Amino acid sequence: EPEVTQTPSHQVTQMGQEVILRCVPISNHLYFYWYRQILGQKVEFLVSFYNNEISEKSEIFDDQFSVERPDGSNFTLKIRSTKLEDSAMYFCASCDRVEQFFGPGTRLTVL
Amino acid sequence: AQTVTQSQPEMSVQEAETVTLSCTYDTSENNYYLFWYKQPPSRQMILVIRQEAYKQQNATENRFSVNFQKAAKSFSLKISDSQLGDTAMYFCAFMSINAGNMLTFGGGTRLMVKP
Repeated sequence: EPEVTQTPSHQVTQMGQEVILRCVPISNHLYFYWYRQILGQKVEFLVSFYNNEISEKSEIFDDQFSVERPDGSNFTLKIRSTKLEDSAMYFCASCDRVEQFFGPGTRLTVL
Repeated sequence: AQTVTQSQPEMSVQEAETVTLSCTYDTSENNYYLFWYKQPPSRQMILVIRQEAYKQQNATENRFSVNFQKAAKSFSLKISDSQLGDTAMYFCAFMSINAGNMLTFGGGTRLMVKP
């Protein structure tokens, strides 16, 4: 069964460093999303991506964040200068029409 | 903006019993979807069940069923014959068809199934 994959599973970085989180969506899906979940809190929407551009973004998704689909298969989330409060699980999801399929998540720890 | 509220932070149930998790939401939309996701300790998000707002019939998936009350904006999840593997966080989520298909999640209910 096709699934969404994410790498790395755990990323530790120093405050102020850039990180890139990678996702491989399900191959025939057209809509892609990033969500984050701070430990013990609810899952929050960051950004949606369709037809090679951002379709929606939340207030969390400020200028420090960017997304890209560099090669038609990968879907990346970049955080330019990480802050302590960026520590969270980051989930990628992809969708063909309605149901969103989530990847296993990347745990980001900012020290 | 949509909001989703889960009023039960934690619940427990005996194995083989039935439990109901509550969810309410607020929206001015008429066309939308509602979902229940399960998040076990692995933190993977797993879709349990979904409901289209235009359908009056409540969705059912094996031991999982919903009670969708559109006028009351209520969407509860019933788990029958609870199993130890049902122990997890459960998130209710709303998706508007007209707003980029993003999911808005509730705060979650931690369910513990006791042997």
